Amino acid sequence: AQKVTQAQTEISVVEKEDVTLDCVYETRDTTYYLFWYKQPPSGELVFLIRRNSFDEQNEISGRYSWNFQKSTSSFNFTITASQVVDSAVYFCALSEAETSGSRLTFGEGTQLTVNP
Amino acid sequence: DGGITQSPKYLFRKEGQNVTLSCEQNLNHDAMYWYRQDPGQGLRLIYYSQIVNDFQKGDIAEGYSVSREKKESFPLTVTSAQKNPTAFYLCASSGNRDFGLTYEQYFGPGTRLTVT
Repeated sequence: AQKVTQAQTEISVVEKEDVTLDCVYETRDTTYYLFWYKQPPSGELVFLIRRNSFDEQNEISGRYSWNFQKSTSSFNFTITASQVVDSAVYFCALSEAETSGSRLTFGEGTQLTVNP
Repeated sequence: DGGITQSPKYLFRKEGQNVTLSCEQNLNHDAMYWYRQDPGQGLRLIYYSQIVNDFQKGDIAEGYSVSREKKESFPLTVTSAQKNPTAFYLCASSGNRDFGLTYEQYFGPGTRLTVT
């Protein structure tokens, strides 16, 4: 069965620090997709990135970067030079393309607090 | 503007009453989903629909019902059989799985339901 683990329940940093959010997944499928979402205090989830299992290239988008390593079943998310506006709950999610179609399984989330 | 709307944002009901949460999208997405989020926890899938007039149970469907009569609309009814209905409910939509590609889900602003 598929599973996503975000071991860090809460992280607190000071503005301008770099911070990495960990995500470890379990799946039996060879084809799967990984996602990161941001949930600000307003509650609406905001899509950040999608990655498929065949593409292990790391990705950078502004201050955000993602490190996908199939060997360790991890898909970690790093925010460089964090800002107060980055404070939110971040969710990692998995979709097993072969067995569960478009369904997503979410991790429990990591609450990130960036202090001024 | 394209997006997903959920109404109302806050909803209060007495125990024993059924209540219907609205979800509408104008993104022309085939698939729609309902999730439940409890404080400090991740999202759990209630129901999903990949095409009009068809829907499947998610992980926690007991006590809930849905309909999908139109592509744009996917209302969720929380029945009196749901033992702990107080929660934050999120609706999402996505392009349907096509040629093995799983699309990201886009979320509405959510409805906070309180049952007393």
